[in-house]
Amino acid sequence: GQNIDQPTEMTATEGAIVQINCTYQTSGFNGLFWYQQHAGEAPTFLSYNVLDGLEEKGRFSSFLSRSKGYSYLLLKELQMKDSASYLCAVLDSNYQLIWGAGTKLIIKP
Amino acid sequence: GAVVSQHPSRVICKSGTSVKIECRSLDFQATTMFWYRQFPKKSLMLMATSNEGSKATYEQGVEKDKFLINHASLTLSTLTVTSAHPEDSSFYICSASLSENTEAFFGQGTRLTVV
Repeated sequence: GQNIDQPTEMTATEGAIVQINCTYQTSGFNGLFWYQQHAGEAPTFLSYNVLDGLEEKGRFSSFLSRSKGYSYLLLKELQMKDSASYLCAVLDSNYQLIWGAGTKLIIKP
Repeated sequence: GAVVSQHPSRVICKSGTSVKIECRSLDFQATTMFWYRQFPKKSLMLMATSNEGSKATYEQGVEKDKFLINHASLTLSTLTVTSAHPEDSSFYICSASLSENTEAFFGQGTRLTVV
């Protein structure tokens, strides 16, 4: 079956760096998305990776290794407003989105 | 986590017909539901936010008369694409939230093809 795994919850300190991992097993691959979602709000798009490597966008970076079925989202210089859920989603061969359950990130002062 | 079921997963319809997509929260009551649209390899686009018992709030540029949303109960929201045209072909996904201040859980999505 198709499966996306990411940690349920992580805690980090303001100003630090945190890496949120995502592993996937899907029928085909047409890209991987990361979304941020604050409680009670719609998710917002963070990144899209379809080729191997690191994509950097400000304080956020996303990495993909297709051969390993692995991605991570790296958040630098953490701010309190980064406390949110981070969702990993993979587009399979039929262009269906397979969603991870999300990682709740808690930032402490 | 909570389960949100979306049906159908795929639908093909003729141009000019209407299509209804259902979004159900299976093990919790959803006060708020979101409807999204996604084009291939693009980000999710929020279409509307619906609250149980009240009218949906549509995002700018989304035609409320074309995309009818009904959230009549705490476990079911429906999106009806009226008079569908080929340009409406897309991936539609819903998410449901327990309350205004809690996270939302996503349905599996519906791939609509209008021919």
